[in-house]
Amino acid sequence: EAGVAQSPRYKIIEKRQSVAFWCNPISGHATLYWYQQILGQGPKLLIQFQNNGVVDDSQLPKDRFSAERLKGVDSTLKIQPAKLEDSAVYLCASSPWDSTNEKLFFGSGTQLSVL
Amino acid sequence: GEDVEQSLFLSVREGDSSVINCTYTDSSSTYLYWYKQEPGAGLQLLTYIFSNMDMKQDQRLTVLLNKKDKHLSLRIADTQTGDSAIYFCAQRRGGYQKVTFGTGTKLQVIP
Repeated sequence: EAGVAQSPRYKIIEKRQSVAFWCNPISGHATLYWYQQILGQGPKLLIQFQNNGVVDDSQLPKDRFSAERLKGVDSTLKIQPAKLEDSAVYLCASSPWDSTNEKLFFGSGTQLSVL
Repeated sequence: GEDVEQSLFLSVREGDSSVINCTYTDSSSTYLYWYKQEPGAGLQLLTYIFSNMDMKQDQRLTVLLNKKDKHLSLRIADTQTGDSAIYFCAQRRGGYQKVTFGTGTKLQVIP
């Protein structure tokens, strides 16, 4: 079974530039999560999709961050414009929509450096 | 609340047992997890426990859950140098199964 795919693996940009990250969840997984992990901290949930609908985006800085999940499969997360404090690893995870299935599967992440 | 708290650092000698602790605030959590993160790598699910259980054992790993105190622990028996990593506690809660993570505990295993 293929895992959660993310790209790019690394990205370096200057502040005020734009950047986009891509995630392909495990086939059939209805729930998709984007997390931000700043160095030395635990992952922080940015946005959670159920199929192609947003169910939680309470911690997403909506003035600069946006995300979409077209057709309930792939997802993109965009930052425009980037700030220095956005430097972090952006992790995508997916899970089946099934309260009896407990597992959350993570991709390898995209490491973003904002200079 | 959603807070999940852990101590930042733990150092043990190889062959000893390690116990990593976690406290959480939401009593409605359905599942509680332990994830392992090695340097430069993603999060690897180690083990998990359903909220109606008190204990779960999986080879060298033992998870204890005290729902009254909202306390979760992970015991690693016969700790090896390969166990050196950051360990995250996480809780899953709510109708849409939101998963929130703790701050992580860095485990250092001394040969």
